[in-house]
Amino acid sequence: GENVEQHPSTLSVQEGDSAVIKCTYSDSASNYFPWYKQELGKRPQLIIDIRSNVGEKKDQRIAVTLNKTAKHFSLHITETQPEDSAVYFCAASRMNNFNKFYFGSGTKLNVKP
Amino acid sequence: ETGVTQTPRHLVMGMTNKKSLKCEQHLGHNAMYWYKQSAKKPLELMFVYSLEERVENNSVPSRFSPECPNSSHLFLHLHTLQPEDSALYLCASSQDVGQGLSGNTIYFGEGSWLTVV
Repeated sequence: GENVEQHPSTLSVQEGDSAVIKCTYSDSASNYFPWYKQELGKRPQLIIDIRSNVGEKKDQRIAVTLNKTAKHFSLHITETQPEDSAVYFCAASRMNNFNKFYFGSGTKLNVKP
Repeated sequence: ETGVTQTPRHLVMGMTNKKSLKCEQHLGHNAMYWYKQSAKKPLELMFVYSLEERVENNSVPSRFSPECPNSSHLFLHLHTLQPEDSALYLCASSQDVGQGLSGNTIYFGEGSWLTVV
């Protein structure tokens, strides 16, 4: 089955700095990679996703990059703000099979004002 | 947001009790999921229902019993649980279990915090 590894487990940055979270996956058939943000006591919310037919996707201060050959993908947050503080989860799946939706173990991001 | 709602939000139960978690989605989705979230562990998929039929059971102990009476409602019946079952139980839904459709992704509810004493 798929194995998704996520690093680092905790990340502390100064407000305004960039943050990068990395994930690797093992199943070369995985072709859908979403990222979720979970604030304390709240639901995981999708913030950005990418399919394997593109290498990069941006949405304002958030971007995701995908390297299919190396089987890794990363979340980049620029100009971080205190409200970015949360736990971020990556996931890997096949678009035709959400029965197999594998999550990373999460990264706790702390943005210091 | 009211797309996927879960009740109760918090539940404390004894090991001999029987209780149920309820999930309702208002998104018109065909697939619903139960996930377990424990501290410092990846989200664990428990059950998947597609059009009210169970399509996945990830070796979940029988003390957890799901029920999907229609595509909008999903229950998780709990009985004789163990303290290690204490966790956040997240319900989720998606348009389908996966047809490569643009925008098809998984949406989570707020979760039910379960404590087994």
